[in-house]
Amino acid sequence: EADIYQTPRYLVIGTGKKITLECSQTMGHDKMYWYQQDPGMELHLIHYSYGVNSTEKGDLSSESTVSRIRTEHFPLTLESARPSHTSQYLCASRSRGAGELFFGEGSRLTVL
Amino acid sequence: GESVGLHLPTLSVQEGDNSIINCAYSNSASDYFIWYKQESGKGPQFIIDIRSNMDKRQGQRVTVLLNKTVKHLSLQIAATQPGDSAVYFCAENINNAGNMLTFGGGTRLMVKP
Repeated sequence: EADIYQTPRYLVIGTGKKITLECSQTMGHDKMYWYQQDPGMELHLIHYSYGVNSTEKGDLSSESTVSRIRTEHFPLTLESARPSHTSQYLCASRSRGAGELFFGEGSRLTVL
Repeated sequence: GESVGLHLPTLSVQEGDNSIINCAYSNSASDYFIWYKQESGKGPQFIIDIRSNMDKRQGQRVTVLLNKTVKHLSLQIAATQPGDSAVYFCAENINNAGNMLTFGGGTRLMVKP
């Protein structure tokens, strides 16, 4: 079973609020990722990191930001949430090189 | 929120039948492939993987076939059960892109009792 955890699992907030979605993994993986996924739709990579102090934007443009100060922690922040940010956000991690990508259970965000 | 991307195609099968889910990949430099299963409200879970030096790999009730000539990957599920109902994604690892894992569009499998 994967040791990657996301909090909160569900969040409903008002427009304009700042929110941070937390993601932690205990597998010592160098690589971590954030995907955005609407219900029943494709996965879209929005951010990734190959290690501490490394962050890159993914294929899908996103107004969110990420940080990687510690290997195990990869939080995603929205400075001012809008209804268009309503979606599911999935965090994942992977060891160095090729291999399985482990996913968290997701954070479902609703912005009113 | 605003939808991004395409709605997923759906495969509907009768319980007990075999299911075949197909995936076309794009990059001839891809060296590793994974199938994931995603149930409603959950994150994707690993099902089976295959390296590019193989053309077939079997797991418990699942088989992955790789045809590098036409860049095609398939997942076969034997004796499909209601618990197999989910969305299935294929992913390719592109070796010359820093080992980036790229996901396909996904297929929704619905199992009729």
